[in-house]
Amino acid sequence: EIVLTQSPATLSVSPGERATLSCRASQSVSNSLAWYQQKPGQAPRLLLYDASDRATDIPVRFSGSGSGTDFTLTISSLEPEDFAIYYCQQRSEWPLTFGGGTKVEIK
Amino acid sequence: EVQLVESGGGLVQPGGSLRLSCAASGFTFSSYGMTWVRQAPGKGLQWVSAISDSADSTNYADSVKGRFTISRDNSKNTLYLQMNSLRAEDTAVYYCAKGKGAVVGTLDHWGQGTLVTVSS
Repeated sequence: EIVLTQSPATLSVSPGERATLSCRASQSVSNSLAWYQQKPGQAPRLLLYDASDRATDIPVRFSGSGSGTDFTLTISSLEPEDFAIYYCQQRSEWPLTFGGGTKVEIK
Repeated sequence: EVQLVESGGGLVQPGGSLRLSCAASGFTFSSYGMTWVRQAPGKGLQWVSAISDSADSTNYADSVKGRFTISRDNSKNTLYLQMNSLRAEDTAVYYCAKGKGAVVGTLDHWGQGTLVTVSS
């Protein structure tokens, strides 16, 4: 199965700063990668799909890049509501797999 | 508005069975693949199973293959997960999620989840 490794595990950022999250795949997934946000006690929410396409109603401060094995989620200027856990997920082949998550916390 | 509402979770003994349901509304259920994803307490997300729009294709994680069965009733707009031979490691919140297309890949809407606890 394709293993997704997210780094760092925890990212401490001040509001208004830029956050850069990484997801690395154990083999190429082309651009078949999505990013999700999960807040405590809530279900995950789709942010980006196909590596860089924003889902409906997702603010422009969220952007994605990458292809093949290396992907990045960038939050250009962190808002208070952005402190959460972020997961990447590949749909290139079965089984679908998720990364272990990056927790973005307030510095 | 897309809504997914899971039900059927609860406390079950090891070796027991449960059937989860996910009632869907706000979209043409029969046109989209659906999936179950679980999250053990304090852990990350784990994909469990997926089914295509017409139910002609199903997939399972190795950890549940042979024990869990995914199905759907397009006339009732409902997704199911039959879970047999439950183990302690199956304890988790189970989410149903809608695929962006006929075959599940990207999960664009999620339910709020139902908790399954396997314990004696």
